[in-house]
Amino acid sequence: GAVVSQHPSWVICKSGTSVKIECRSLDFQATTMFWYRQFPKQSLMLMATSNEGSKATYEQGVEKDKFLINHASLTLSTLTVTSAHPEDSSFYICSARGGSSGRVYEQYFGPGTRLTVT
Amino acid sequence: AQSVTQLGSHVSVSEGALVLLRCNYSSSVPPYLFWYVQYPNQGLQLLLKYTSAATLVKGINGFEAEFKKSETSFHLTKPSAHMSDAAEYFCAVSPSYNNNDMRFGAGTRLTVKP
Repeated sequence: GAVVSQHPSWVICKSGTSVKIECRSLDFQATTMFWYRQFPKQSLMLMATSNEGSKATYEQGVEKDKFLINHASLTLSTLTVTSAHPEDSSFYICSARGGSSGRVYEQYFGPGTRLTVT
Repeated sequence: AQSVTQLGSHVSVSEGALVLLRCNYSSSVPPYLFWYVQYPNQGLQLLLKYTSAATLVKGINGFEAEFKKSETSFHLTKPSAHMSDAAEYFCAVSPSYNNNDMRFGAGTRLTVKP
């Protein structure tokens, strides 16, 4: 099956610092990656969609200067939370999808990264 | 625009009992519907999906769901609950097969009592 990994699985950072989360498709080429945010006991909210080599498309209300997304290769996307604050503490989940010509043409989800900002 | 509503944020059943998790959808186009399961501190795992091929969809771990257009529903069922089924379940809708613009319900936490 299609496997998506995230690193780190858990990170604690101090307020004002930046933290980078990696999302990798391990056995397929991900032309599109999605980043979601999940608050405790709540559903997933789509933050942004990124296509390889293009700028990410952010959902309404998501600050693109705060949540920097880079999708530089077909197997890696990164989410950088800049100048993190306690309210950014959340569970961040990525998903990846291959192209229409590939075998993986639906979203596969990573295991998530728990960010705690102190 | 698409949306899903999951009725009941928390469902509790006894081991061996029927599991029924409710999901109603709203869609301006024929929907693609999904059920995902999430275990604590983990990502989402696809249980099953409806892509218009058959209204009764069988998934993993003994789960199935039936698409009922007249009721705009896609309820998830399992005849006999196991302790290992305890998790959070999310219903999701997408306007396309490739899951673009997927929207999730609020989730239903399933508790299984021994």
